Amino acid sequence: GAGVSQSPSNKVTEKGKDVELRCDPISGHTALYWYRQSLGQGLEFLIYFQGNSAPDKSGLPSDRFSAERTGGSVSTLTIQRTQQEDSAVYLCASSPQTGTVGSYEQYFGPGTRLTVT
Amino acid sequence: QQQVKQSPQSLIVQKGGISIINCAYENTAFDYFPWYQQFPGKGPALLIAIRPDVSEKKEGRFTISFNKSAKQFSLHIMDSQPGDSATYFCAAREGGYNKLIFGAGTRLAVHP
Repeated sequence: GAGVSQSPSNKVTEKGKDVELRCDPISGHTALYWYRQSLGQGLEFLIYFQGNSAPDKSGLPSDRFSAERTGGSVSTLTIQRTQQEDSAVYLCASSPQTGTVGSYEQYFGPGTRLTVT
Repeated sequence: QQQVKQSPQSLIVQKGGISIINCAYENTAFDYFPWYQQFPGKGPALLIAIRPDVSEKKEGRFTISFNKSAKQFSLHIMDSQPGDSATYFCAAREGGYNKLIFGAGTRLAVHP
């Protein structure tokens, strides 16, 4: 079946502008994650959604970052007043519901490469 | 604080050789250890994973060795092929949480 999809694949924005990044998880997956990957670095956790539970926002680096998940499916990561240090690849992952078989396995999308000029 | 330490940063192996990538951790609450493979311009792909109650897991040419007492785990790629050239990440999940903590990555180059 279809994997995790993300859009846009690339985004170039000017410093100070707001951006929205979209993630469409694998159908039937109730858990959704956002990570950030800076150039040549490992992945850094940002936020986690599971069903109707309150999201785990512990990885968001500042209050300029926020995320929503509508209808338990699509998620949007919003970065307000972008800074040059926000330039990175933003990756979304999804997994089956916690407590089910395979729920530990996270499947990643191709990412959105954000460049702040 | 780097919770998962990965080495080496880069690795060059000849075709047919064995590639070995190591990771170490401190948090004994980690309960799941996956390895991901990432090609340039792509998202990470789950390769193989292990739980701490198992010392070894093998899938095809890929093997995870896990040493719970030493808090170390490693990925072995047997009969390495040029198509294995990619960046490999180890990761760990803390029990009760769902986020993954990633190592810094190892860039593997397999020369023909």
